[in-house]
Amino acid sequence: DTAVSQTPKYLVTQMGNDKSIKCEQNLGHDTMYWYKQDSKKFLKIMFSYNNKELIINETVPNRFSPKSPDKAHLNLHINSLELGDSAVYFCASSPRMGVTANEQYFGPGTRLTVT
Amino acid sequence: AQSVTQLDSQVPVFEEAPVELRCNYSSSVSVYLFWYVQYPNQGLQLLLKYLSGSTLVKGINGFEAEFNKSQTSFHLRKPSVHISDTAEYFCAVRGQGNLIFGKGTKLSVKP
Repeated sequence: DTAVSQTPKYLVTQMGNDKSIKCEQNLGHDTMYWYKQDSKKFLKIMFSYNNKELIINETVPNRFSPKSPDKAHLNLHINSLELGDSAVYFCASSPRMGVTANEQYFGPGTRLTVT
Repeated sequence: AQSVTQLDSQVPVFEEAPVELRCNYSSSVSVYLFWYVQYPNQGLQLLLKYLSGSTLVKGINGFEAEFNKSQTSFHLRKPSVHISDTAEYFCAVRGQGNLIFGKGTKLSVKP
């Protein structure tokens, strides 16, 4: 069974559109994350979220918003897509408590291409 | 604040040769250290981690790393690489804040 899954794997869309990427984890973790990997492979955190707290990286445009219907899901909504949003987006999860809270498990990624 | 420096962006090596991928970090607090591997067109897989205890940690696929607090390093090593080890390797550190990644080292194993 896949621990952290994302859909879709590939997403091609035009500028100005609104799109969503879904993430689900079956690890029973309390905290989930979204990362962006740019064309140079640089990974940067966008959000971390548990059921009580959303922490947003201040550099993330407000066109990006995470939405969590339940503890196992954290979807990423992107409004008014721009060319610069093209990247690979990774979802991750971790336990919330204890030293193992530092271990994050990643999904397979969603390659977003904006044309 | 923490930061991570991977000193080599690319490391070419022949099959069955040893390899070391270097990682240095800076932090004013105690840290947890990780190496992740990303195979082509795939997600990130946790290779190994240092949370506490022994400074020599062993991971999957024959990799190991040593936490050196005085040198603020966490270099990744493998005594004999295989073609299938060709991938991007990321060092990451977490202190009190978010998980911070280095810029990655592309390991290319040639026959």
